[in-house]
Amino acid sequence: QKEVEQNSGPLSVPEGAIASLNCTYSDRVSQSFFWYRQYSGKSPELIMSIYSNGDKEDGRFTAQLNKASQYVSLLIRDSQPSDSATYLCAVNSPGSGNTGKLIFGQGTTLQVKP
Amino acid sequence: GAVVSQHPSRVICKSGTSVKIECRSLDFQATTMFWYRQFPKQSLMLMATSNEGSKATYEQGVEKDKFLINHASLTLSTLTVTSAHPEDSSFYICSATGASGNTIYFGEGSWLTVV
Repeated sequence: QKEVEQNSGPLSVPEGAIASLNCTYSDRVSQSFFWYRQYSGKSPELIMSIYSNGDKEDGRFTAQLNKASQYVSLLIRDSQPSDSATYLCAVNSPGSGNTGKLIFGQGTTLQVKP
Repeated sequence: GAVVSQHPSRVICKSGTSVKIECRSLDFQATTMFWYRQFPKQSLMLMATSNEGSKATYEQGVEKDKFLINHASLTLSTLTVTSAHPEDSSFYICSATGASGNTIYFGEGSWLTVV
């Protein structure tokens, strides 16, 4: 079992719709969770970080964390064509504390169609 | 602007040669830096953890003698790919954290093509 799992997609949504991206992780002691957006050929950029159970909203983005189910998701409201990218879920590596060592999922490709 | 800078952004080298990639933290002291590799359409795979003033910690399956990491100062880590082969062609990305470890900054990445 992979430590961080995502559906590779592609996930296709129409412009203006809500895109829902999901991620599961295997290690219960993981404490920090991140969503990164990566455009083709570029370095990942941080969208959201979440550390506590529940929802965290930032503009059109909402991250949801459920530690009991080992599940973290990202909702993108009012999706725009510019949101088309690969979204990477990352989890703080078990046992590494807050040292920034991340384990990435394989990424979900999102396509927002005009 | 970028707080972690990588250089070069793109490099082409001949098979059998060595190539060095630099990762610099621009306005903070990075006690820990990480090196990732990303093959096309795949995710980032952690290669090693670089700690200032000590030996790097390599992930399982990563050859430490092939991928030499030096973190000689609090603002610079280097990755040297030795005896490069075409299969080493990849996107190499570094990240850095400050003393608190709470904020992670990624470099812009370096494309390596071995011909």
